[in-house]
This record gives sequence, C-alpha cells and structure tokens, in this order.
Amino acid sequence: KQEVTQIPAALSVPEGENLVLNCSFTDSAIYNLQWFRQDPGKGLTSLLLIQSSQREQTSGRLNASLDKSSGRSTLYIAASQPGDSATYLCAAPVLAGGSQGNLIFGKGTKLSVKP
Amino acid sequence: NAGVTQTPKFRVLKTGQSMTLLCAQDMNHEYMYWYRQDPGMGLRLIHYSVGEGTTAKGEVPDGYNVSRLKKQNFLLGLESAAPSQTSVYFCASSYLVFYEQYFGPGTRLTVT
Repeated sequence: KQEVTQIPAALSVPEGENLVLNCSFTDSAIYNLQWFRQDPGKGLTSLLLIQSSQREQTSGRLNASLDKSSGRSTLYIAASQPGDSATYLCAAPVLAGGSQGNLIFGKGTKLSVKP
Repeated sequence: NAGVTQTPKFRVLKTGQSMTLLCAQDMNHEYMYWYRQDPGMGLRLIHYSVGEGTTAKGEVPDGYNVSRLKKQNFLLGLESAAPSQTSVYFCASSYLVFYEQYFGPGTRLTVT
C-alpha cells in the first residue's frame, strides 16, 4: 500500500533563500506525483505534476524532481518570497486494487517565508 | 472557466440532520472525487466517480452517499450527520484516470 510522507512538518526561512521540500513514497511503482499548494482556509492549487518517466518538471521558480528508485520527490523553490508562505502537499495515485486515480496525500509541509 | 466549484462554503448542522454538498466542474472531466481533510489525518478519499451515472467507495465512505446524474455535477450526501463528520470537504476532478486533479475551494462543515 502506497504511503506518502513529508518531512519536516513545518519550515521557516528568510526571504530570498532557495529551499527544498521533501516527499517520500513507499511504492516505487509510481505513475506520477503531484505537488499542491494550500493557503489557510482555501482549496488545493496544483503546482506541478511529474510523470514517472520524467526526472524533473519546472514552472517558474518551482522545480520538482522524481527519483523512483529512492522513493523521493523534491520541490525546489528558488528565491523564496513571503507570498510563498503556505502548506505544500505532495500526492501519488493509488495503483493497486482497481484504482481509479484516487490520490494518497502526505500531511504537508507548512512553509513560512519571513521578510 | 470557473474550474471546480463547491456549494455551500460553510455549514453548521445538528447531529442527525441531513444535507447535500454540491460539486460542479466545467472542464468536461470524466473523473470526480470527494475527499475530506482533518487535522493530523491529511486528505482521505470518501467516494469517487469515473463517469456520469457511476460511483464507487473510497477509503472512508461510511455515513456518506453520492450521486453523479450529470457529468458536470457530483453530489455528496450526509443522511444523518454525526460530530465525527465535522471536517473540510474537497471535491476534485480530472480529465481521465491518472491525469492532473483540480480541486474546489472546499466546504467547511461543523456538526454539533
């Protein structure tokens, strides 16, 4: 059964710093992995979806990597800004048991970028 | 495009009352999902649908029912609300299986 873990649960950095958020998964037979951002009291905004055949995916200051062999994905945020403060979630689809793409989520990393 | 919308945004129920949450998407997506988000538990799948007229159980389906009478709408019903159903409910949709999922803004439900 796929399990997704995000460590640390919270992270505080000064503005301008480059940072890496981590996501680990137990089943390396992963189809893809999706990164989301959630602001307090809001829904989830999809940031990047990285396919199992890809090693990296980039969108603006964000770069996601995927290493199936080690069971890890990272989200790199360049030149962090206070507006990046949010909770970041990663999720992978269930593959076993007739899955229809339902996602298994990590519990998120709460990022605070201080001015 | 409005994307995925959810109605209502907030609701307070008394134990035993019933209600229906509405999810609508305008992206012509086949797949729709209902998740709940609880502190310390993360997001968990309640029910999902792979197309108009189809529904299936997810990880935590007890106490909920769903219907997908129209492709663009996915309804989540609580027949007899319990305090354990206090949560934030999110609807999501995707074009096909394993495609990117898009989420609605959520419904915050409190059952007293």
